[in-house]
Amino acid sequence: NAGVTQTPKFRVLKTGQSMTLLCAQDMNHEYMYWYRQDPGMGLRLIHYSVGEGTTAKGEVPDGYNVSRLKKQNFLLGLESAAPSQTSVYFCASSYNARTGNQETQYFGPGTRLLVL
Amino acid sequence: GDSVTQMEGPVTLSEEAFLTINCTYTATGYPSLFWYVQYPGEGLQLLLKATKADDKGSNKGFEATYRKETTSFHLEKGSVQVSDSAVYFCALSDQSGNNRLAFGKGNQVVVIP
Repeated sequence: NAGVTQTPKFRVLKTGQSMTLLCAQDMNHEYMYWYRQDPGMGLRLIHYSVGEGTTAKGEVPDGYNVSRLKKQNFLLGLESAAPSQTSVYFCASSYNARTGNQETQYFGPGTRLLVL
Repeated sequence: GDSVTQMEGPVTLSEEAFLTINCTYTATGYPSLFWYVQYPGEGLQLLLKATKADDKGSNKGFEATYRKETTSFHLEKGSVQVSDSAVYFCALSDQSGNNRLAFGKGNQVVVIP
């Protein structure tokens, strides 16, 4: 099992450019999450999904969109990148309905994004 | 809303020293509590968790006890190693059924040989 994978690992954007971050999990998890990590701020939830075809806003959703067209994938989009979106982005997943393990979140290795 | 507070500042200590990282929380209901660890250049990994009052979570020599009366979940290890150098995050799960986590700001721990 690869667990949770993220692509790309690192990206540099210019202000106004768009990009999509991809998260994939192979644990058959129902729930998926996108966080951003900034120095001294801990992790803040951007958007999350509780199942295929569903998404919801987290703590800091502005400037981001998400889609969950397939259960194993969760995409995070930046339509018009801003320097304030320079951060490290983490994807996580949880809850396998068959095993019943609900609360533990499993994290990907992160995507480092620099917006100039 | 639910929140987690961790002690300010990095923690630097010598190998084999005793480690304590304080964590207190504010929540309605009875959340589950977690400690996650982030090694350099990696994502977060679950270190331990506790799901109800007086539960003790333990893993890799680390322990934390869910104290409802003091709303705390302090992390301890009796003898740290250089390999324990990492960032440690305290977190709680909300009770919405969506399994969202609220994280503290994290503490950088540096263990010197």
